Amino acid sequence: EVQLVESGGGLVQPGGSLRLSCAASGFTFSSYWMHWVRQAPGKGLVWVSRINSDGSSTSYADSVKGRFTISRDNAKNTLYLQMNSLRAEDTAVYYCARNSGWHRALDYWGQGTLVTVSS
Amino acid sequence: DIQMTQSPSSLSASVGDRVTITCQASQDISNYLNWYQQKPGKAPKLLIYDASNLETGVPSRFSGSGSGTDFTFTISSLQPEDIATYYCQQYDNLPTFGGGTKVEIK
Repeated sequence: EVQLVESGGGLVQPGGSLRLSCAASGFTFSSYWMHWVRQAPGKGLVWVSRINSDGSSTSYADSVKGRFTISRDNAKNTLYLQMNSLRAEDTAVYYCARNSGWHRALDYWGQGTLVTVSS
Repeated sequence: DIQMTQSPSSLSASVGDRVTITCQASQDISNYLNWYQQKPGKAPKLLIYDASNLETGVPSRFSGSGSGTDFTFTISSLQPEDIATYYCQQYDNLPTFGGGTKVEIK
């Protein structure tokens, strides 16, 4: 069974940093591209970042470019999102999601971890 | 960036009704359009990929159609368990989501 479990969320002050993790199991993690998607309270889904299967290629939404870094450790089956210079508008539930191996779609999602940026 | 315009933002329908949601892309995305269902407090779930293909295990009352810039999502007979917010997503290059449609029971 495919499982994605996020961790690392919490309360952080504006300008602070946080690293999110997503532990993957039930599939060959190193074969799949992965994504981070966020959802502010009461709002819609917003794509944040993507990484290819070996970590050599990354992409970001303009709103986080230069502040967030996506990475992965295929030996540990774990995806990361390093978030720096956090702003109030980064407050959201952050989901990791797997890119389907056959289609341009996100076929499995974690349960999400809440990041709150506030003083 | 490709923008996705989804409508309506909310709707109320009776059990057994046919429900239709539309999504328009700001440029041609071929059939790289997916639909997700999100129930309150839960993660999104993929329902339809490549505009019209039903994900494994998804009930056949859900369907999708369209190509290019205009897409439609349909629930043929609304059930109580379908209460959720539905999102379209384009994935021509980098993904973007529509604003969502909240579906409620009348």
